[in-house]
Amino acid sequence: AAGVIQSPRHLIKEKRETATLKCYPIPRHDTVYWYQQGPGQDPQFLISFYEKMQSDKGSIPDRFSAQQFSDYHSELNMSSLELGDSALYFCASSPSGYNEQFFGPGTRLTVL
Amino acid sequence: DAKTTQPPSMDCAEGRAANLPCNHSTISGNEYVYWYRQIHSQGPQYIIHGLKNNETNEMASLIITEDRKSSTLILPHATLRDTAVYYCIASHGSSNTGKLIFGQGTTLQVKP
Repeated sequence: AAGVIQSPRHLIKEKRETATLKCYPIPRHDTVYWYQQGPGQDPQFLISFYEKMQSDKGSIPDRFSAQQFSDYHSELNMSSLELGDSALYFCASSPSGYNEQFFGPGTRLTVL
Repeated sequence: DAKTTQPPSMDCAEGRAANLPCNHSTISGNEYVYWYRQIHSQGPQYIIHGLKNNETNEMASLIITEDRKSSTLILPHATLRDTAVYYCIASHGSSNTGKLIFGQGTTLQVKP
């Protein structure tokens, strides 16, 4: 069965650089969620999209922005990277009216 | 979203049932109880969810108390591959409000 695809799987950036993380939801899933998991921490909700509109926002820094495109894939753009942005970034998708979220394998971002 | 409380860690012998408790005394009437697990740095995996009634699927059973203030996740025959962090989460579950707020979770160690 198709799963959530995230790219890249690993990313190394320098401080103050920018990064773009991509998420391709399961086909026919119209809702996408982004989560950040720092080292030794639990996942934290960042932002979500439903039918290409932002539906909810969590503890996402102003340096981050995200959008969902017409094909339902989503991108998380991160600017002025800081050391503290080093984390696993998970994307999850779900179809509308359905409670279960399907998570991707994550993108491991390392900021040097 | 209601806060949940779980023991930080539990051990279970392989082949025995693992019973993971969760307290959610402030859960609202339209919030579901979700269980997810995360196996070392992989994307969280959905296990089961429920509103009022007990639920069972191929992975686990969920027992919710009548007053909905607590629940227990039961893995009937734990295997070594069930070693993971288990998260109990209260969430509305809809596309607009379905974000997952991960708490501390319970680290389940299944031992041979």
